[in-house]
Amino acid sequence: QLQLVQSGAEVKKPGASVRVSCKTSGDTFTTYTIHWVRQAPGQRLEWMGWINAGTGNTKYLQKFQGRVTITRDTAASTAYMEVSSLRFEDTAIYYCASQRSRGWDYWGQGTQVTVSS
Amino acid sequence: QTVVTQEPSLTVSPGGTVTLTCASSTGAVTSGYFPNWFQHKPGQAPRAVIYNTNNRHSWTPARFSGSLLGGKAALTLSGVQPEDEAEYHCLLHYGGDWVFGGGTKLTVL
Repeated sequence: QLQLVQSGAEVKKPGASVRVSCKTSGDTFTTYTIHWVRQAPGQRLEWMGWINAGTGNTKYLQKFQGRVTITRDTAASTAYMEVSSLRFEDTAIYYCASQRSRGWDYWGQGTQVTVSS
Repeated sequence: QTVVTQEPSLTVSPGGTVTLTCASSTGAVTSGYFPNWFQHKPGQAPRAVIYNTNNRHSWTPARFSGSLLGGKAALTLSGVQPEDEAEYHCLLHYGGDWVFGGGTKLTVL
């Protein structure tokens, strides 16, 4: 089974960028699609986008187009999600999650990102 | 903007049966929306329980079942245990995009 371990908590100022990593192990990274999801305080889970770890193809929720970039390093079996031009409302727990054949399965432990002046 | 709607909260007695539903603002939910269900406890990451409408993961107890019911995706818990108390989120696929429901807080009382 795939294990996903995310990078640690971040505190950033408005306008800055943050990159969160999602290191995988236990299975073949390139056979998975990796999703990024966030949950702001008191809000529902929000899907942000995905990357096909094999091809590198990506898809983003339209509201994040141009501000969120998802990449991967196949040699390191790691996916990355970068958010630029951070706003206070980007304060949330960010998760990576894996998917194969339309079924989502494993999740990372979550990374708290706080945007504060 | 597509909205996925779940019951905000439900209460069930231990050993009872409860059904949570997941509706789409675009119309009836079908298997083509590849419904996924997740259990989410405070301070933990979500845990997948059902994928592709009615498939359990290897770790999902048999008391969890998924289905389509009256134009909605449904998650039924039979013989509910105290440890099933959690928030449950559904997730639907819309042509490349995915949309989460608002979550149902399930209380076992």
